[in-house]
Amino acid sequence: AQSVTQLDSQVPVFEEAPVELRCNYSSSVSVYLFWYVQYPNQGLQLLLKYLSGSTLVKGINGFEAEFNKSQTSFHLRKPSVHISDTAEYFCAVSVGYNKLIFGAGTRLAVHP
Amino acid sequence: NAGVTQTPKFQVLKTGQSMTLQCAQDMNHEYMSWYRQDPGMGLRLIHYSVGAGITDQGEVPNGYNVSRSTTEDFPLRLLSAAPSQTSVYFCASSYVELGTANSPLHFGNGTRLTVT
Repeated sequence: AQSVTQLDSQVPVFEEAPVELRCNYSSSVSVYLFWYVQYPNQGLQLLLKYLSGSTLVKGINGFEAEFNKSQTSFHLRKPSVHISDTAEYFCAVSVGYNKLIFGAGTRLAVHP
Repeated sequence: NAGVTQTPKFQVLKTGQSMTLQCAQDMNHEYMSWYRQDPGMGLRLIHYSVGAGITDQGEVPNGYNVSRSTTEDFPLRLLSAAPSQTSVYFCASSYVELGTANSPLHFGNGTRLTVT
């Protein structure tokens, strides 16, 4: 069965520092991979997605992620974070026509 | 642009009570779904629908019913609420081909449900 593991439940970081949020997935078939962001008291918004092609995917707000098939990973990175990036981030894998499986989430806390 | 609208925002129920969480979207999306979000567990799929009259179960369907009589609406019913159903519930919609470039999930702002 497909699954998603987010390796860090919380990531504290100082403003303007780089950050990496880690995501591993398990699947026996080709996958589509996503990162979503959730700001307090809101629903989730799509940050970026990998469907096929280039393994480096760029998203909104300066985030990017790299698909690594051999390591079954899809880590999210940003070279310099802002206070406004404080949120919860979810990695997700599409397991077929109509289902997204989400990881448990990583809470990113950016400190001044 | 209304997007996905969920009502109510907050609800408190007693064990055994029933209620319906409402979800409406105005984007003509065929696909609609319900997730519950619990601390440390991410989002888990409850039920989904690929069009009017068509519904199917997700990962955690027990205790919940759905129907899809129109494209716009996808209500979630709790027939007899239990404390284990205390959670934040999100409705999401997209075009039907979930993994394609043009169909990210659009989420509502959630309903926070407490069952005492």
